[in-house]
Amino acid sequence: SQTIHQWPATLVQPVGSPLSLECTVEGTSNPNLYWYRQAAGRGLQLLFYSIGIGQISSEVPQNLSASRPQDRQFILSSKKLLLSDSGFYLCAWSVNSDTQYFGPGTRLTVL
Amino acid sequence: KNEVEQSPQNLTAQEEEFITINCSYSVGISALHWLQQHPGGGIVSLFMLSSGKKKHGRLIATINIQEKHSSLHITASHPRDSAVYICAVSRMNRDDKIIFGKGTRLHILP
Repeated sequence: SQTIHQWPATLVQPVGSPLSLECTVEGTSNPNLYWYRQAAGRGLQLLFYSIGIGQISSEVPQNLSASRPQDRQFILSSKKLLLSDSGFYLCAWSVNSDTQYFGPGTRLTVL
Repeated sequence: KNEVEQSPQNLTAQEEEFITINCSYSVGISALHWLQQHPGGGIVSLFMLSSGKKKHGRLIATINIQEKHSSLHITASHPRDSAVYICAVSRMNRDDKIIFGKGTRLHILP
């Protein structure tokens, strides 16, 4: 069966520090991968999606970036965090246009 | 105006009550999703539907494509149903991109 992992589960970082969140999927090949953010009091917002290794599409301009170095690995990064980057970050996967399956999420607090 | 609107934003009900959460959207879609997010943040997909009605246990989801409206019903509600319920749509011809509603926070009292 397929599983999706995210780490860390929680993270507290100072403003200006770098960020790296990792997401891995098991049990499927060539999934579509997604990074979402849920800011306090707001709905889920799509940040990046990827249909294959090295193929990343960005939905919103920001100081975040994403990379897909391996088929089932998706990384969300930032060189310098802002206060507004605080939120709950969710990774998800899907195959073709089927339903998306979400990871457990990472709660990021930028101080 | 948001492309996906949910109502109500918050709902408190007594155990065993019949619950209805509504979702309206303004774009062409290939599918509509209902998601459940528990207090810890974890999200579970409940339904994906493009027409008609689906049922899973005490949960029922319906969609009216002509009216661009969907409802999620919970029968015989229970405190463990307390969560945020999120409506989301896959836009037609836009790959797998999904637009999310802001969610409905449901609290079932024992």
